[in-house]
Amino acid sequence: GIQVEQSPPDLILQEGANSTLRCNFSDSVNNLQWFHQNPWGQLINLFYIPSGTKQNGRLSATTVATERYSLLYISSSQTTDSGVYFCAVPTSGTYKYIFGTGTRLKVLA
Amino acid sequence: DAGITQSPRHKVTETGTPVTLRCHQTENHRYMYWYRQDPGHGLRLIHYSYGVKDTDKGEVSDGYSVSRSKTEDFLLTLESATSSQTSVYFCAISEATRIDYTFGSGTRLTVV
Repeated sequence: GIQVEQSPPDLILQEGANSTLRCNFSDSVNNLQWFHQNPWGQLINLFYIPSGTKQNGRLSATTVATERYSLLYISSSQTTDSGVYFCAVPTSGTYKYIFGTGTRLKVLA
Repeated sequence: DAGITQSPRHKVTETGTPVTLRCHQTENHRYMYWYRQDPGHGLRLIHYSYGVKDTDKGEVSDGYSVSRSKTEDFLLTLESATSSQTSVYFCAISEATRIDYTFGSGTRLTVV
């Protein structure tokens, strides 16, 4: 089945810094989602981004489907950005999403 | 999360007992999913449903069964709980035409 790898596994930033999280996937996909899990465990959908670039405030995401990767950019990080970021892609022809193991981000004040 | 509720939020049960977790939605979304989250594994799909009485297996379905008798409810049953099923269980919903997920708040299950 499709494999999803995220890097880096852990990231520590000072408040105000920028960061890039990467998601690689092993097979072609027709969509991709990014999620944030806050320190209390709540999972929030950030982006549904099958291709191209989307922006939402300080966050933006780019997916290059032909090269099988997606990037999540966090600019001017805040302590509330802390948590785990997951990307997820569907197995071929289904709505069964496979999640990466996540990037754990800690933003220090 | 608004529109999707999981119950119970926490449960401790003994090995060998059956356990049922409930996911309830008020969004009338067609698709519903059960995931488990374990350290080092991210989220793994257990079962999903694409309509009333229509379900399919995910990556880690052994030891679990599901039922969906009405649009709003998706039940996950551990037929005979084992310690390896200690985990946090998340339910998610999605619309067919809008694939983005909405997750519930999770159920923390401990099997002793």
